[in-house]
Amino acid sequence: NAGVTQTPKFRVLKTGQSMTLLCAQDMNHEYMYWYRQDPGMGLRLIHYSVGEGTTAKGEVPDGYNVSRLKKQNFLLGLESAAPSQTSVYFCASSHSRSNTEAFFGQGTRLTVV
Amino acid sequence: AQSVTQLGSHVSVSEGALVLLRCNYSSSVPPYLFWYVQYPNQGLQLLLKYTSAATLVKGINGFEAEFKKSETSFHLTKPSAHMSDAAEYFCAVTESGSTLGRLYFGRGTQLTVWP
Repeated sequence: NAGVTQTPKFRVLKTGQSMTLLCAQDMNHEYMYWYRQDPGMGLRLIHYSVGEGTTAKGEVPDGYNVSRLKKQNFLLGLESAAPSQTSVYFCASSHSRSNTEAFFGQGTRLTVV
Repeated sequence: AQSVTQLGSHVSVSEGALVLLRCNYSSSVPPYLFWYVQYPNQGLQLLLKYTSAATLVKGINGFEAEFKKSETSFHLTKPSAHMSDAAEYFCAVTESGSTLGRLYFGRGTQLTVWP
């Protein structure tokens, strides 16, 4: 059982380039989330999805877009990368109830130069 | 709105000493509370959670936390630290009854364990 898998694990981008981060979960979870982790800031929610075909903005959505075309996948896109988007990105998934555990991927370390 | 405050971004203890990591929350409704641990270059792993049952919650690796409503706290403790406990710890809160399931995280506490 793979759980939550993120691709890629590392990436270096030049300013202005675009890329897509892929998150895949095999637990049939309804809810999926993208967080970014910056030193001393904890994890901040970028976007989330409460089901296939639905997405919503979190705390820090600017500069990112997401899509949830299939229940098991949640894509995070950067259309024009900026150095401020250098961060570690985590995907998570959970069942619909708020008291259930969120399962996290291993993270994607993105550097924008 | 929910928020989480973790007092102390760095905590150092000797092996065998008590571990105490502090977490205070604010929530407009009864919360669900979580502690996650992150080892270097890893994702987050759930240590324990409070979901309105017993106020003293036991988790993995000998950790426990006590929900104190009057103090709006959910401090994490372990009686005897082990070298393998060195990691970053995050307290998180979500709304009970919420169907969104999103977590609000504290800024994290880095635990160092000295031999």
